[in-house]
This record gives sequence, structure tokens and C-alpha cells, in this order.
Amino acid sequence: QVQLQESGPGLVKPSQTLSLTCTVSGGSISSAAYYWSWIRHHPGKGLEWIGYIYYSGTTDYNPSLQSRLTISVDTSKNQFSLRLSSVTAADTAVYYCARVSRYNWNYCDSWGQGTLVTVSS
Amino acid sequence: DIQMTQSPSSLSASVGDRVTITCRASQSITSYLTWYQGKPGRAPKVLIYSASTLQSGVPSRFRGSGSGTDFTLTISSLQVEDFATYYCQQSYSTPYTFGQGTNLEIK
Repeated sequence: QVQLQESGPGLVKPSQTLSLTCTVSGGSISSAAYYWSWIRHHPGKGLEWIGYIYYSGTTDYNPSLQSRLTISVDTSKNQFSLRLSSVTAADTAVYYCARVSRYNWNYCDSWGQGTLVTVSS
Repeated sequence: DIQMTQSPSSLSASVGDRVTITCRASQSITSYLTWYQGKPGRAPKVLIYSASTLQSGVPSRFRGSGSGTDFTLTISSLQVEDFATYYCQQSYSTPYTFGQGTNLEIK
């Protein structure tokens, strides 16, 4: 049973860079069957897909965030990471990492528990 | 981007009721539609994928249907644990997009 766990600072100052890591256990991040995704949930609002990465390093980003976003993968550590630059209060959200099933309708079949990131001075 | 529109945005119902939530895509997504259940402090839970396939371990009172642009999630007999927020998501093309959510409350 694969498990995902987000980690990183819970508080980031405006204009700085938000950095989170997702550690995958119980399965290999180098599997050809999956993409590895970030999704966020703004307080009181809906869910927003941020982007995903394949183990090879290929990425697909939400155009609304693309100019500020970097998703990377470290297969040796079975981790993938999110960096979002120039953050504002609008980036305050619960951030989830999730596994996307490439050969099965591209749905997010496993999720981390989520981590709240607050942007505030 | 493909827009996903859910209705209603909120719904009050009683234990034992049958409820239906709809989700409409701004263009055809064939069957690339997933339904999630969200509760505060928890990761979203997959209920249905490919529009109508029940995720392993999910009770059979949850049923998904539809294809193309129009989809429904039906809960046949509400249980206490079903009061939550429900989201649809299209995974037909990136950026994958979600509906705004349906908040299911106890009447």
C-alpha cells in the first residue's frame, strides 16, 4: 500500500519561495505507471491542480502557476518536490501530494494527508 | 481549460435519503471523471473513477454515471458518515480541473 507524506514549512513570508517535499513509501516513484502530482485546497474554496512530474523529470504545470512553479523529482530518495516563488496570501492553502494512475484514467488514486501553508509576514 | 460545474453547491438531506449530485464539463471528457469525498483535516477520498467504477472499499450505495459532458453521483441511502463535501474532477486533459464542490449537510 503506497503512502505519501508532505513536509515543509507551515509559514512562508510574502514574496518568498514556498518549498514542499513529498516522500513516497511502499512503492517506487520510478514506476512507469504513475505521475506524481501536487494539488492544493484554498480555505473555504475548491481544489486546484498544481501540476505533476514523471520519474524521468517530465513535467506538466497548471498555466496559472507556471511562471512561478518548479516540480522536481529525486528518485534516489523516492521523493518529489514543489517550489512556488513570489508567494502571496492567495497561495495560502492546504497542499496535497498525490499519485496519478497513468494507465487507469489519470485519477489520483493515493493522496498524502496534506499540509497547511500560510503566507503571512 | 475545461470548466467543471457542480450542482447543487449545497444540499440538506436526512439519513436514509437518496441524493444526486451533478457535474457538467464545458466540453466532452468521455469518461475521465472522478468523484471525491472531502472531510475537514483529511485527504480527499476517491469514490468513483472513470465516471462509474467504484473504488475498492467504497460502499455500493455510491453510484456514478454519465459520459461526455454530464455526470451524476448518487448516494442511495445516506449514512451519517456520508455528510461531507463532494468534488468531481476531470482528468481528460491538463490542467486537470475540479468542480467547486457540493456541501452535503444533515437536515
